[in-house]
Amino acid sequence: DAGVTQSPTHLIKTRGQQVTLRCSPKSGHDTVSWYQQALGQGPQFIFQYYEEEERQRGNFPDRFSGHQFPNYSSELNVNALLLGDSALYLCASSLRTGAAEQYFGPGTRLTVT
Amino acid sequence: EDQVTQSPEALRLQEGESSSLNCSYTVSGLRGLFWYRQDPGKGPEFLFTLYSAGEEKEKERLKATLTKKESFLHITAPKPEDSATYLCAVRNAGSARQLTFGSGTQLTVLP
Repeated sequence: DAGVTQSPTHLIKTRGQQVTLRCSPKSGHDTVSWYQQALGQGPQFIFQYYEEEERQRGNFPDRFSGHQFPNYSSELNVNALLLGDSALYLCASSLRTGAAEQYFGPGTRLTVT
Repeated sequence: EDQVTQSPEALRLQEGESSSLNCSYTVSGLRGLFWYRQDPGKGPEFLFTLYSAGEEKEKERLKATLTKKESFLHITAPKPEDSATYLCAVRNAGSARQLTFGSGTQLTVLP
């Protein structure tokens, strides 16, 4: 049973550029949430997708956008990158109904220079 | 606004020395308190979900408990492989499964 997968593992971008991160949820899960984790901090909620729509959003600017595909996989896009966007980006999958647990992928380490 | 505070920030134990990690929370209608383990550079690994005060869950050397204001993660006779950051998160009644995390407790178990 495949768990949550994310790509790429690491990424280095320059200030002002745009980046796309990808996530495939755990088999059987239909909901994907994205989190940003700065060094030494807990993950912070960016947004959640199910049925291909953004359902809830945390306190992040609209430079952060996303998409969910019919196969439940998801993308996180960040435009006009800032140095402060350097972080570990985590994808978590879950079921829309039933158990509330979210299962996390290994993350994508983004460095903005 | 939901708040989660974890203490201590860091804890060093000798192998076999039992201890507890604390997670204090304020939330509008708790719909689950979650414990995760995170190894350096990796994603959080799910450990437990607790839903109501008085509930307890156990897994190997770990036991999680819940009161109306806090949760404890008790570690009995820890081993070096238990070294990790332990994260606590809450979900409130109004959210669509958004988790609010604390900053974690970094546990080091020395052989």
